Amino acid sequence: DAGITQSPRYKITETGRQVTLMCHQTWSHSYMFWYRQDLGHGLRLIYYSAAADITDKGEVPDGYVVSRSKTENFPLTLESATRSQTSVYFCATRRGGPTDTQYFGPGTRLTVL
Amino acid sequence: AQKITQTQPGMFVQEKEAVTLDCTYDTSDQSYGLFWYKQPSSGEMIFLIYQGSYDEQNATEGRYSLNFQKARKSANLVISASQLGDSAMYFCAMSDLKGFQKLVFGTGTRLLVSP
Repeated sequence: DAGITQSPRYKITETGRQVTLMCHQTWSHSYMFWYRQDLGHGLRLIYYSAAADITDKGEVPDGYVVSRSKTENFPLTLESATRSQTSVYFCATRRGGPTDTQYFGPGTRLTVL
Repeated sequence: AQKITQTQPGMFVQEKEAVTLDCTYDTSDQSYGLFWYKQPSSGEMIFLIYQGSYDEQNATEGRYSLNFQKARKSANLVISASQLGDSAMYFCAMSDLKGFQKLVFGTGTRLLVSP
């Protein structure tokens, strides 16, 4: 049972390029989330989704775009990467209500040169 | 808006001793949930324990317990009988219980367990 997978695990890109980080889950959980983790900030929510075709902004959405055409996939796109977007990105899922646990993927380490 | 504060950047404990990691929160919601996650050096986020704001008993999960003091808005994690494998970053987080129930995280506490 794969659970949540993220790809790529590591990515180096250049300023101005478009980058897409993939998140795939095998559980059919309704909720999916994207976080970024930076030193001194903990994890901050970028975007989230309650179901296919339902997405909304989190705390730090600027410069990012998401889509969710299928329940199992929740890609995150950096439209024009900047150095400030160098970070570790985590995807997470939650089956149902707020007392359900959020399960995290292994993370993608992105470096923007 | 919800806010989580973890004031201990780092903590040290000897193996087999207990340790308390502090977490205070701020929210205007009456219903909310509190979570603790562990992040070892390998990077994955591991769920440890959950406490609901209306739960009367403190949550426990094996060696982990959550010392919930609602009036003080604190949700400290207690790890009993520390093990070397407990060395990791620990994050406190909270969620409201309506809408999309997004998690808000603190900045984390790095725990180092020494032999």
